[in-house]
Amino acid sequence: RKEVEQDPGPFNVPEGATVAFNCTYSNSASQSFFWYRQDCRKEPKLLMSVYSSGNEDGRFTAQLNRASQYISLLIRDSKLSDSATYLCVVKADSNYQLIWGAGTKLIIKP
Amino acid sequence: DADVTQTPRNRITKTGKRIMLECSQTKGHDRMYWYRQDPGLGLRLIYYSFDVKDINKGEISDGYSVSRQAQAKFSLSLESAIPNQTALYFCATSDFRGTSGGSSYNEQFFGPGTRLTVL
Repeated sequence: RKEVEQDPGPFNVPEGATVAFNCTYSNSASQSFFWYRQDCRKEPKLLMSVYSSGNEDGRFTAQLNRASQYISLLIRDSKLSDSATYLCVVKADSNYQLIWGAGTKLIIKP
Repeated sequence: DADVTQTPRNRITKTGKRIMLECSQTKGHDRMYWYRQDPGLGLRLIYYSFDVKDINKGEISDGYSVSRQAQAKFSLSLESAIPNQTALYFCATSDFRGTSGGSSYNEQFFGPGTRLTVL
């Protein structure tokens, strides 16, 4: 089993719709969680951190479910520019290392 | 100007050749990392360095070596390239001292990547 698993997609979503995807992690000691965004052939960039209480940044909402060991990302009122691959990243505070999911590809269609 | 740069951006080479990928940063970060990305897989850590005198192996260091020439420079070498080292390579940096310009503690900043093909 991979340490961090994501549905690779692609998720094909009409512009203006709401889309959500999850990421599961296997290490129950994981303490820090992040979503990065990667555009085609570009470098990953931090989208948002995921806090225990959940957090929201504009149209983006991230949630953490420790009991079921997953994090989620919700995108409301999706824009064409949201088309990208979303990478789930998990860190166990016992070490420095980030564990990266393979990503979920999102395509927003007009 | 980009904060994290990588050279070359693309490279095609043959099996057995020695290859060096270079990374430079102007962010003033202590920590630097080398990752590779393959289709269907997450980023995998090759080597990381927390300062000039600190070099550590990552998850997949076999077949690679690194050099931290200065705080701002971290190079990755493939001593004898093989086809399964064909991948997209990213250099990244992070600031260990806490927040940096409002960014989160663990945020890593990536270079644009080097696409390496080994024939």
